[in-house]
Amino acid sequence: DQQVKQNSPSLSVQEGRISILNCDYTNSMFDYFLWYKKYPAEGPTFLISISSIKDKNEDGRFTVFLNKSAKHLSLHIVPSQPGDSAVYFCAASIIQGGSEKLVFGKGTKLTVNP
Amino acid sequence: NAGVTQTPKFQVLKTGQSMTLQCAQDMNHEYMSWYRQDPGMGLRLIHYSVGAGITDQGEVPNGYNVSRSTTEDFPLRLLSAAPSQTSVYFCASSYGGLESSYEQYFGPGTRLTVT
Repeated sequence: DQQVKQNSPSLSVQEGRISILNCDYTNSMFDYFLWYKKYPAEGPTFLISISSIKDKNEDGRFTVFLNKSAKHLSLHIVPSQPGDSAVYFCAASIIQGGSEKLVFGKGTKLTVNP
Repeated sequence: NAGVTQTPKFQVLKTGQSMTLQCAQDMNHEYMSWYRQDPGMGLRLIHYSVGAGITDQGEVPNGYNVSRSTTEDFPLRLLSAAPSQTSVYFCASSYGGLESSYEQYFGPGTRLTVT
């Protein structure tokens, strides 16, 4: 049972336009949501996060929106740059067994074309 | 700071062989974890540790063993390698506390092939 879903395996956008990556979740006990970015042959790197008590968090070109009633979050990148081409993982944090654990989605491969 | 380091970068094993994947961090993080990444499967938690001497199972622990004798090191042992363990393995660390898994720092990964 997949608790964090990224239904789009890939996304292609033009440089300068907006990239919107989507993520859905099923467990209402998740208390924190994160986006990670991964380049080939490297480990994932943290990008941006949002607490479950907020609906928006912005950091430069990156904004994450959370809609708790729909159990949906999205990552907006504006403007998109070729260096943003990577796999983006959505992750959700939950307390289990007395410690926080991250549950990851399958990832969306973003390609930004010059 | 070197951050999170993993060795080896690549490894080929025969079915039934055992080996240890090494992971070390120099950030004095309490929380460390191992994930595997398979095509189309995202990252799945194998084992994790909230501090030296404390380990617990994640989502896919079978066939793997861990120990945490120091804050810095968190090795992952494959007891008897199987082709199903062919994957890319990532080690990660983060600060301790209730929000211990937030903003995890990942190593560069170990690509393991079991034939």
